[in-house]
Amino acid sequence: QVRLVQSGAEVKKPGASVKVSCKTSGYTFTGFYVHWVRQAPGQGLEWVGWINPNSGDADYSQKFHGRVSLTRDTAVNTVYMELRGLTSDDTAVFFCARDSLGIDSWGQGTLVSVST
Amino acid sequence: DIQMTQSPSSLSASVGDRVTITCRASQTMSNYLNWYQQKPGEAPKLLIYASSRLQSGVPSRFSGSGSGTDFTLTISSLQPEDFATYYCQQSYSIPKTFGQGTKVEVK
Repeated sequence: QVRLVQSGAEVKKPGASVKVSCKTSGYTFTGFYVHWVRQAPGQGLEWVGWINPNSGDADYSQKFHGRVSLTRDTAVNTVYMELRGLTSDDTAVFFCARDSLGIDSWGQGTLVSVST
Repeated sequence: DIQMTQSPSSLSASVGDRVTITCRASQTMSNYLNWYQQKPGEAPKLLIYASSRLQSGVPSRFSGSGSGTDFTLTISSLQPEDFATYYCQQSYSIPKTFGQGTKVEVK
């Protein structure tokens, strides 16, 4: 079955960077885009960006002002999200998710906490 | 960017009620509209894609309609497991924006 398994919770200080991994299995990795979605505590879903695992090309929300990078490693069927210049506003759960006629499979989410 | 506006932001309903949630896009986008359900502490779940196509395994009491800028999610007979937050999302253009969510609560 399709699975997306994310790395564990992170605690970072303001100004730091975080890199979250999303290991996929159960389908052809290069055949489906992977989204990243942010959800701040008690808030709604916010689209961060997506990556084409075949080409490595990515698109991003302008809201993140060039602070985010999505990459992939086809050898291990894993997608990565790096977010730089963290602030307290980045405290959130980040989800990776597969695109297929809608976002049909989601990771379990990774909590990133930013605090002094 | 396409802005997605859901209404209402929350609603109270009883088991067996018919529930309708609307989503309006700031520009026309054909039928590139998806609906998700999210329960506390869980990842979202795809219910409807391409405005009206029921995702595999989703109960038939969920249905979607609309095209262009106005879309609707209907739950024909609300069940206890349907109390959750619902989001629309446009897949027409980058960024693939979500609505702000509609929380369906127990009346």
